[in-house]
Amino acid sequence: NAGVMQNPRHLVRRRGQEARLRCSPMKGHSHVYWYRQLPEEGLKFMVYLQKENIIDESGMPKERFSAEFPKEGPSILRIQQVVRGDSAAYFCASSPTGQGANYGYTFGSGTRLTVV
Amino acid sequence: EDKVVQSPLSLVVHEGDTVTLNCSYEVTNFRSLLWYKQEKKAPTFLFMLTSSGIEKKSGRLSSILDKKELFSILNITATQTGDSAVYLCAVGLQGAQKLVFGQGTRLTINP
Repeated sequence: NAGVMQNPRHLVRRRGQEARLRCSPMKGHSHVYWYRQLPEEGLKFMVYLQKENIIDESGMPKERFSAEFPKEGPSILRIQQVVRGDSAAYFCASSPTGQGANYGYTFGSGTRLTVV
Repeated sequence: EDKVVQSPLSLVVHEGDTVTLNCSYEVTNFRSLLWYKQEKKAPTFLFMLTSSGIEKKSGRLSSILDKKELFSILNITATQTGDSAVYLCAVGLQGAQKLVFGQGTRLTINP
């Protein structure tokens, strides 16, 4: 049973380009959580999605960032017109129910975004 | 604003030493406290604590929660070089599925 799969592992974008980060949850999991980790900092919650629904986006920056989790396929975190401050590690986690945070959900290995 | 603070931020010890990592929190609706170990990749789950005073133990690692004083400690005995990692503390909130993380403690074990 593969864990949470994130790709790409590393992504380099020039300022102004778009970044698309993908997260495939564990088999049977329909709830996905995205976190961002800036250098030398802890993880910061961005968004919680269920299939085809955004449940909590209280941590998402108001502009340039969007997330989706379609009925088929991976969850996508999209960052438009990237800036240097977007350089970070982006982690995804998944859970089988909406109680994932109650049990310490499983994280993927992350995508390290570098904006040059 | 919900806040989780870890100390120390960085710790270097020799193999075989015992270490204690600290985590304090100020949140509006506490549900649970979790510890993760992060090497170069994904944070891996260690413990979840919900009740005060009950120690959770896994091998050389143990953790306890004090809900009155709003803190938790993570102890590692007989440390090994493989324990070198960043240890993250996180708090789960009632009515929400997000975790609030501290900034982490970077632990280095020298042979």
